[in-house]
Amino acid sequence: QKEVEQNSGPLSVPEGAIASLNCTYSDRGSQSFFWYRQYSGKSPELIMSIYSNGDKEDGRFTAQLNKASQYVSLLIRDSQPSDSATYLCAVTPTYSSASKIIFGSGTRLSIRP
Amino acid sequence: NAGVMQNPRHLVRRRGQEARLRCSPMKGHSHVYWYRQLPEEGLKFMVYLQKENIIDESGMPKERFSAEFPKEGPSILRIQQVVRGDSAAYFCASSPRSRSSGNTIYFGEGSWLTVV
Repeated sequence: QKEVEQNSGPLSVPEGAIASLNCTYSDRGSQSFFWYRQYSGKSPELIMSIYSNGDKEDGRFTAQLNKASQYVSLLIRDSQPSDSATYLCAVTPTYSSASKIIFGSGTRLSIRP
Repeated sequence: NAGVMQNPRHLVRRRGQEARLRCSPMKGHSHVYWYRQLPEEGLKFMVYLQKENIIDESGMPKERFSAEFPKEGPSILRIQQVVRGDSAAYFCASSPRSRSSGNTIYFGEGSWLTVV
């Protein structure tokens, strides 16, 4: 079982719709969760961080965390063509005293006009 | 307000040569992480360093790879006797203190290594 799992996609969503990206993780004790966006040939950039159960909203983005189900998601409202990118879910597992951050393999999102 | 600086951005090496990738963390950041990304794959953790200390190198290949973060100067990821399979993007990230305190890591632009 992978430590952080994401559907690789591509996920195709019409412009203006809600894009829903999902991620599951294996370490039940994980405390910190992140969503990064990566455009092709570029470095990852942080979109959201979330540490407690529930929803966290920032503009068009909402991160949702359910620790009981070991599940974290990212919703993008009013999707724009510029949202087309690979979205990386990342988790800090508790087994690592060094607090390294583990990434999923990413979900490719395509917003079609 | 410079971010995480990596150089070179692109590096071409012949098989058997050495590759040195450098990373200067953001101002005020004392923690550095190195990740590798193979084409069409996710980011793989390699090593986590503080100044003059390797904290976690569990993701580093046992041979040919080494990393350092000296008291003065940038962090260096060194790959000796490169092989074609080393061709990848190498990303450095930094944070102001340990991730366990909840801080976020910020990535540099990456160094793309091509082995021919």
